[in-house]
Amino acid sequence: AQTIHQWPVAEIKAVGSPLSLGCTIKGKSSPNLYWYWQATGGTLQQLFYSITVGQVESVVQLNLSASRPKDDQFILSTEKLLLSHSGFYLCAWSYVANTGQLYFGEGSKLTVL
Amino acid sequence: QQKVQQSPESLSVPEGGMASLNCTSSDRNFQYFWWYRQHSGEGPKALMSIFSDGDKKEGRFTAHLNKASLHVSLHIRDSQPSDSALYFCAASGMATGGNNKLTFGQGTVLSVIP
Repeated sequence: AQTIHQWPVAEIKAVGSPLSLGCTIKGKSSPNLYWYWQATGGTLQQLFYSITVGQVESVVQLNLSASRPKDDQFILSTEKLLLSHSGFYLCAWSYVANTGQLYFGEGSKLTVL
Repeated sequence: QQKVQQSPESLSVPEGGMASLNCTSSDRNFQYFWWYRQHSGEGPKALMSIFSDGDKKEGRFTAHLNKASLHVSLHIRDSQPSDSALYFCAASGMATGGNNKLTFGQGTVLSVIP
């Protein structure tokens, strides 16, 4: 069975500080990977997607970057956090050919003060 | 304008009652429609999909799609307190560049009152 693990579960960070969030998928080789952002109780906005190691496409510009250093790992980062970065970050995977079913991780809650 | 609009924003139903959630899309490129459910503090989970006109039933859940009006609905019969969650309608078209981008609505908060 496939599992997806996100870390950390929660972070409280200062404005201007760096951030790194991670995601690991086990039990599925070469999945499509995604990062989504969710304001508290709000909709989900796709940030990045990756279809293969080393290739990441940005969907929206939010002063964030993403990398896929391994087939099963997806990293979201920034060097300088803004207040607007607060929210819930969700990593997800899908089969390569899919009709929209995403498998989400449990999320990382980020509070920027 | 939001491409996927959900209504109502919030809904309260008694335990054992019927909950009805609605969703309308403004993009005729959407072909695949999904309902996702998110419990507080967790990631969303796909509840069910519907791709063809008509009804699709899975247990207590029934989805309905009208492609002509781009309207999707979800009906939950015999609602349980464990159904209390944030429900998202989501839609996608054909994948482009490997990204099958799901567009999510703003969500409906369902509260089932014991």
